[in-house]
Amino acid sequence: GESVGLHLPTLSVQEGDNSIINCAYSNSASDYFIWYKQESGKGPQFIIDIRSNMDKRQGQRVTVLLNKTVKHLSLQIAATQPGDSAVYFCAEISSGSARQLTFGSGTQLTVLP
Amino acid sequence: EPEVTQTPSHQVTQMGQEVILRCVPISNHLYFYWYRQILGQKVEFLVSFYNNEISEKSEIFDDQFSVERPDGSNFTLKIRSTKLEDSAMYFCASTANRAEAFFGQGTRLTVV
Repeated sequence: GESVGLHLPTLSVQEGDNSIINCAYSNSASDYFIWYKQESGKGPQFIIDIRSNMDKRQGQRVTVLLNKTVKHLSLQIAATQPGDSAVYFCAEISSGSARQLTFGSGTQLTVLP
Repeated sequence: EPEVTQTPSHQVTQMGQEVILRCVPISNHLYFYWYRQILGQKVEFLVSFYNNEISEKSEIFDDQFSVERPDGSNFTLKIRSTKLEDSAMYFCASTANRAEAFFGQGTRLTVV
């Protein structure tokens, strides 16, 4: 089931190291997935997306991997920087007509100097 | 760069009062959404709006909630009689192609 409550999973990495943030999604019918970054007091900010017919997509310093067999999504951030510190949410697009986002519970990434 | 703007940034209201949260979506977008985030929790879908009507709504979006696009630019969320548990960040989002949604900075609603 999805985690709820006040305690987010956390990940601490040294500046310059690579980060891997994982997400399990629930709806096997979802056909589009997005990673969002949320800094404190701000709205979610788009990072990268991937369609269900793909396994991997690369952006600038970020890579998203999709494993549909186990319904798992990961976000890899290369050479993590202090500005990457934030909460990261995966989101899946439902098959409904309005294509609203269903968000996961989020991971707090902290980059250590 | 175009952005979704929301006002006010913080709204404090007494329990039982009506509040209206305002949003100006990106101008050429067609799909509009309201999401809610209780402190420390994930972002939850409330309602979607397309072609001047509600497309879908979640269980959270009960009869106390309503949305409106009164003038072709603003998109509002009204909570008729606020409850303590309505305290949250409320995010407006819009999209042109039903994929990548752009979010506003949110309105923090505090019900006392």
